[in-house]
Amino acid sequence: SQQGEEDPQALSIQEGENATMNCSYKTSINNLQWYRQNSGRGLVHLILIRSNEREKHSGRLRVTLDTSKKSSSLLITASRAADTASYFCATDGAAGNKLTFGGGTRVLVKP
Amino acid sequence: KAGVTQTPRYLIKTRGQQVTLSCSPISGHRSVSWYQQTPGQGLQFLFEYFSETQRNKGNFPGRFSGRQFSNSRSEMNVSTLELGDSALYLCASSLALAGDPTGELFFGEGSRLTVL
Repeated sequence: SQQGEEDPQALSIQEGENATMNCSYKTSINNLQWYRQNSGRGLVHLILIRSNEREKHSGRLRVTLDTSKKSSSLLITASRAADTASYFCATDGAAGNKLTFGGGTRVLVKP
Repeated sequence: KAGVTQTPRYLIKTRGQQVTLSCSPISGHRSVSWYQQTPGQGLQFLFEYFSETQRNKGNFPGRFSGRQFSNSRSEMNVSTLELGDSALYLCASSLALAGDPTGELFFGEGSRLTVL
């Protein structure tokens, strides 16, 4: 079963617009991560936010975490065609080196 | 520094056969995890190895097994293949030490298995 559920499942925007996607999870976490996957390729780590952090920035990425609501959001500002990909949130469990991934958001950035 | 290398990248098998997939982690990474990705189930955790020991296992049948060698390279094996085993199998390595929360995972490009 998946820990995280992402919303929306798919998103289509024009280049230059912002893209926002949300992730909800069920159990307590140590950290939450976001990954990007280009079609059929491996996942690439984007950003990690710890459970005691509320917001984190990395370049054009902004991630928020609300542990009281068990939710996170990823904002990509000034999107580019190269941002077209699937984006996954992932949470760590109580034990071991294991991530539980959400279903992902497919983002299409039209030039 | 070389990334995570998975071989083979693509393979086709028939039902009932077995398959072995290989993963070479980033140099210095002692943790290797395996994930299965399918359109229907998404990304699902298979197992994780650290210093040749399986630390964590997902909810998969015993047909799925793995191991890690002393050089941190890992293999996973699927026996008696079923049609539903068709998937992208992803390997990831990390620097995480024993007891650390899961940190950044570095993924390979995956091995795409098709079972006919």
